[in-house]
Amino acid sequence: GAVVSQHPSRVICKSGTSVKIECRSLDFQATTMFWYRQFPKQSLMLMATSNEGSKATYEQGVEKDKFLINHASLTLSTLTVTSAHPEDSSFYICSARYGGGVTDTQYFGPGTRLTVL
Amino acid sequence: AQSVTQLGSHVSVSEGALVLLRCNYSSSVPPYLFWYVQYPNQGLQLLLKYTTGATLVKGINGFEAEFKKSETSFHLTKPSAHMSDAAEYFCAVSGAAGNKLTFGGGTRVLVKP
Repeated sequence: GAVVSQHPSRVICKSGTSVKIECRSLDFQATTMFWYRQFPKQSLMLMATSNEGSKATYEQGVEKDKFLINHASLTLSTLTVTSAHPEDSSFYICSARYGGGVTDTQYFGPGTRLTVL
Repeated sequence: AQSVTQLGSHVSVSEGALVLLRCNYSSSVPPYLFWYVQYPNQGLQLLLKYTTGATLVKGINGFEAEFKKSETSFHLTKPSAHMSDAAEYFCAVSGAAGNKLTFGGGTRVLVKP
């Protein structure tokens, strides 16, 4: 149980284009999902918290107009990188909140590697 | 506010030897603590977590960690390293079980035959 998938696993795009990444909770409903960014050999940095049916909450320094997040259902959140540039190249990982109370835990997707040429 | 410090960005152990990964945290509220493992080009897999209760927590793959409030530590151990333990390990803290996580810098484990 508590499986999270991401699609695509890898994407290469040209500078200036937009890329959409999907995060799905496969066997549970997640009212809250999180989006992280990870640079090579570095830790994960939280970008935003995605709540089903409401606007995402972005961390300080993250451009909400560049990284559009939509959490349209209890099993799907999407991250769209708009007008991508080479500096947006990174490994993007989502997680979904599962359980309740002290059992509440984040389960992570396998990640999406974005390369912007 | 929370923060996590992982001592040692790289750890090298021999197969069969003890694995010890250090994690210290700071938190203004009672912490929820986690250890995750990441294999190359993959997401994170939960190894174990501490929320409340018993301070010695056992996880998957033979790992365990002990919450020591007085030392603000949550070190991860495994008695005998296996080649498959070679990966990146992240310690994380949150103010509640499902809230946003703050990660440490990670420790890369190399297992020598």
